[in-house]
Amino acid sequence: GEDVEQSLFLSVREGDSSVINCTYTDSSSTYLYWYKQEPGAGLQLLTYIFSNMDMKQDQRLTVLLNKKDKHLSLRIADTQTGDSAIYFCAETGSGYSTLTFGKGTMLLVSP
Amino acid sequence: ETGVTQSPTHLIKTRGQQVTLRCSSQSGHNTVSWYQQALGQGPQFIFQYYREEENGRGNFPPRFSGLQFPNYSSELNVNALELDDSALYLCASSLALGGEDTQYFGPGTRLTVL
Repeated sequence: GEDVEQSLFLSVREGDSSVINCTYTDSSSTYLYWYKQEPGAGLQLLTYIFSNMDMKQDQRLTVLLNKKDKHLSLRIADTQTGDSAIYFCAETGSGYSTLTFGKGTMLLVSP
Repeated sequence: ETGVTQSPTHLIKTRGQQVTLRCSSQSGHNTVSWYQQALGQGPQFIFQYYREEENGRGNFPPRFSGLQFPNYSSELNVNALELDDSALYLCASSLALGGEDTQYFGPGTRLTVL
């Protein structure tokens, strides 16, 4: 079955880089997504990567995909206190283009 | 371009009652998906509607039902509410083109069942 795993917590200092990791099990995933959720809010799409790509860069965000190991990471350069939130990795499994989410990684950025 | 909106923002119900949550999809989108997010968990897929037809369903009982209207807005109905139904309910819209089908989420409805 489909399963997405993430580490639960990451703490960094402002200005450092943050790396959030994710592993997934569905080899048929075509797109993998990163969403951000601030307290009490909905999910904000950050970026996504197509499964035939290894890397995607979007301003401060870099996504790396290792399809062989089914490992996805999100790197945030120059992390700011406003980046403090929960970050969700999600995959589209086979079928209806629905999303399977991990439990989320809470990123805490200290000044 | 308007984003995804949901109503109400918050709702308190008691066990056994019924609830209807509403979602307006992003302009130009034809697909709506509903997710349940329990506290401390990732969102779980409930079901998806494409052009007014159910297009897939997650592991939720039949007391969770939905509708999609000709303008692509949608409703989620939950009958016989249970305490475990307390959660944030998220609606996401997308434009199903057969390829990349990115889902954009609304702010959610926080349901509390007492």
